[in-house]
Amino acid sequence: QKEVEQNSGPLSVPEGAIASLNCTYSDRGSQSFFWYRQYSGKSPELIMFIYSNGDKEDGRFTAQLNKASQYVSLLIRDSQPSDSATYLCAVNMRYPASGTYKYIFGTGTRLKVLA
Amino acid sequence: DADVTQTPRNRITKTGKRIMLECSQTKGHDRMYWYRQDPGLGLRLIYYSFDVKDINKGEISDGYSVSRQAQAKFSLSLESAIPNQTALYFCATSMSSYNEQFFGPGTRLTVL
Repeated sequence: QKEVEQNSGPLSVPEGAIASLNCTYSDRGSQSFFWYRQYSGKSPELIMFIYSNGDKEDGRFTAQLNKASQYVSLLIRDSQPSDSATYLCAVNMRYPASGTYKYIFGTGTRLKVLA
Repeated sequence: DADVTQTPRNRITKTGKRIMLECSQTKGHDRMYWYRQDPGLGLRLIYYSFDVKDINKGEISDGYSVSRQAQAKFSLSLESAIPNQTALYFCATSMSSYNEQFFGPGTRLTVL
């Protein structure tokens, strides 16, 4: 089982629709969760982070965290063609031996918003 | 603006050559990271450093070495480049493992 899993996509949604991106993770002790957006050939940029169970909203973006089920999702409302990109989920996880934390990225979901 | 910069941005080299990629940051972060990205494989950690005296291997360190010259500078070297090291390389920084990472613009490396 991968430590952080995402569906690679592409996920295609029409302009104006809600895009729903999902991510599951393996370590129940994980404490912080991040969503990055990456345009082709560019560096990842942070969209949102979430630490607590529930929803966190920022403009058109909502992050949802369910620690019991070990998943985190990102909803994009009123999707625009400019939202077309790869979305990376990242989770901080413990190294079992040392107890220190590492930062693990999923492989990303490619989103295509159709005009 | 506090920033993360990488040089060079693009590099084409030949098999067997030694290559150094450089990263500098003005964010004042102690933690710095080197990743490579290949299509379909996501970001893979090569090396990371929690401070100048603390350097650790990531999941794919073979064939690479690093140097943390100062808090603000972290260099990645390929001692003898091979074609399967052709990839997009990113440097990143963070305040801690609980916080987000900030990425440089990337270096596209091609090994012929």
